[in-house]
Amino acid sequence: QKEVEQDPGPLSVPEGAIVSLNCTYSNSAFQYFMWYRQYSRKGPELLMYTYSSGNKEDGRFTAQVDKSSKYISLFIRDSQPSDSATYLCAAGGTSYGKLTFGQGTILTVHP
Amino acid sequence: GAVVSQHPSRVICKSGTSVKIECRSLDFQATTMFWYRQFPKQSLMLMATSNEGSKATYEQGVEKDKFLINHASLTLSTLTVTSAHPEDSSFYICSASEASGYEQYFGPGTRLTVT
Repeated sequence: QKEVEQDPGPLSVPEGAIVSLNCTYSNSAFQYFMWYRQYSRKGPELLMYTYSSGNKEDGRFTAQVDKSSKYISLFIRDSQPSDSATYLCAAGGTSYGKLTFGQGTILTVHP
Repeated sequence: GAVVSQHPSRVICKSGTSVKIECRSLDFQATTMFWYRQFPKQSLMLMATSNEGSKATYEQGVEKDKFLINHASLTLSTLTVTSAHPEDSSFYICSASEASGYEQYFGPGTRLTVT
């Protein structure tokens, strides 16, 4: 079993839809969680960083962490075609600075 | 802020030669840098972690004599792929983090093709 599991999709939604991306993790020692966006042939870009259970909002993006169920989510409101990318969840805290990544979800937002 | 650059962005080399990839943090001091490898449509695979002035820590299964990592300063780390073979062809990405945080900031990646 992978330490961080993520549905690879692909996920296709119409422009304006609310997108829900999810990951589960098995290691209860993970303390902080991140979401990255990666466009094709580019490096990942940090979108959200959360340290505790609860919600964190930044513009159209909301990250949610539920440590009791080991579940993390990213919501994208009013999705745009420019949001089309691979979204990677990551968890850390077991070894200083080291992140464990999910396999990524491919998202396509069509006009 | 938090910009990381990589050079070169693409490189093609012949089998048996060595290739050096540079990773620089442009606007912050990176106490720790990470090197990843990514195959098409797959996630990031951590190869090694390097701290400035120390030897790199390699992940299990990564040959440290083949993938030489040097973190000579707080803004520069290099990955040298020695005696490259076609199976080393991949997308190599570095990331960097500051002493004050856990966030990793990624470079744009280097696509290596070994012929």
